[in-house]
Amino acid sequence: GESVGLHLPTLSVQEGDNSIINCAYSNSASDYFIWYKQESGKGPQFIIDIRSNMDKRQGQRVTVLLNKTVKHLSLQIAATQPGDSAVYFCAENWSNTGKLIFGQGTTLQVKP
Amino acid sequence: KAGVTQTPRYLIKTRGQQVTLSCSPISGHRSVSWYQQTPGQGLQFLFEYFSETQRNKGNFPGRFSGRQFSNSRSEMNVSTLELGDSALYLCASSPSTVRSYEQYFGPGTRLTVT
Repeated sequence: GESVGLHLPTLSVQEGDNSIINCAYSNSASDYFIWYKQESGKGPQFIIDIRSNMDKRQGQRVTVLLNKTVKHLSLQIAATQPGDSAVYFCAENWSNTGKLIFGQGTTLQVKP
Repeated sequence: KAGVTQTPRYLIKTRGQQVTLSCSPISGHRSVSWYQQTPGQGLQFLFEYFSETQRNKGNFPGRFSGRQFSNSRSEMNVSTLELGDSALYLCASSPSTVRSYEQYFGPGTRLTVT
């Protein structure tokens, strides 16, 4: 079915290091790209979004990069902390509706 | 503000039965979306409701249906349950039509079909 792919199912990093989570998307008509974080036993939590006419957006400790030429999206987390351990999903959206198409997810493991 | 609440949290049903799941969005949120999450298929969009109208629908069979009430609360129904319907069903609400993709998720209802 429809999907936004992720490159790696699992990423393991040392506490304090920077993390980079990648995602490849397929629909060049998507208007928005979003990152969600899902902790065990909880629903996904919105992290950050980027509009298709931008190539970079920064938040608190997170940066999202968008490369439309190769249909690639990445989430960079600075100074990764144990609380960042979760599954990260990229999602795409068009026409600003409530329909999100999610990728398969990357599990981020933070080693102390 | 209270978050999105979903009831029940856990449910066990038998194949062939039907089930109704409930979702209460965050106060003031008028858009509600539903997703199915499974290990194999990941997160898949079911449908979206806004002001009691279905605005979008995913690629699920007609056994999956939903509705939204005037207070924005939403329900989804699955009839003639199949084993493959076992999943975590997530409800999400959005505060704004300007940023409908910014969704606040509930903890989900874990449905097991035996």
